[in-house]
Amino acid sequence: EVQLLESGGGLVQPGGSLRLSCSVSGFSFSNYRMNWVRQAPGKGLEWVANIKQDGSETYYADSVRGRFTISRDNADNSLSLQMDSLRAEDTALYYCARGMTVWSGFYFMDSWGQGTLVTVSS
Amino acid sequence: DIQMTQSPSTLSAAVGDRVTFTCRASQMIYTWLAWYQQKPGKPPKLLIYDSSTLQTGVPSRFSGTMSGTEFTLTISSLQPADSATYYCQQYNTYPWTFGQGTKVEIK
Repeated sequence: EVQLLESGGGLVQPGGSLRLSCSVSGFSFSNYRMNWVRQAPGKGLEWVANIKQDGSETYYADSVRGRFTISRDNADNSLSLQMDSLRAEDTALYYCARGMTVWSGFYFMDSWGQGTLVTVSS
Repeated sequence: DIQMTQSPSTLSAAVGDRVTFTCRASQMIYTWLAWYQQKPGKPPKLLIYDSSTLQTGVPSRFSGTMSGTEFTLTISSLQPADSATYYCQQYNTYPWTFGQGTKVEIK
């Protein structure tokens, strides 16, 4: 069974930093692109970042580029999101999601964790 | 960035109704669109990918179509379990973008 478990969320002051982790099981982690997606309270979904299987390519939403860094450790089956210079508008539930492609090389997100809540407030 | 616009924002229908809602992309995304269902307090669940391919285990009452830059999700016979918010998402181009969601309520 595919499982993704996020951790590391919490309360942080504006301008502060936080590191989220996603531990996975039930699939060969190194074979999949991975993503972070967030959802502010009561709001819609916002894709945050994506990382290639070997970590050689990363992509970011405009709203987080330069402040957030996605990384992975294939030996440890873990995904991370380093969040710096946090702002109130970064307050959200952060999901990790597996990137999947069937044949095209275009990836969608087929499995999601339960999320970890990040609150940025003084 | 590619903008995804969903309509309507809210839809109310009776059990057994056929319901359809749409998602329009601001530019061509070919078939690279997914639909997700999200229930309160739960993560999104993939329903359809590549605009019309049903994810394994998803009931066949769900279907997706595309015409140019307009995409449609149809529920052929609405069930109580379908009460949720539905999001479209394009994965043609980074940054990936979601629509704002359509909330489906059961009358």
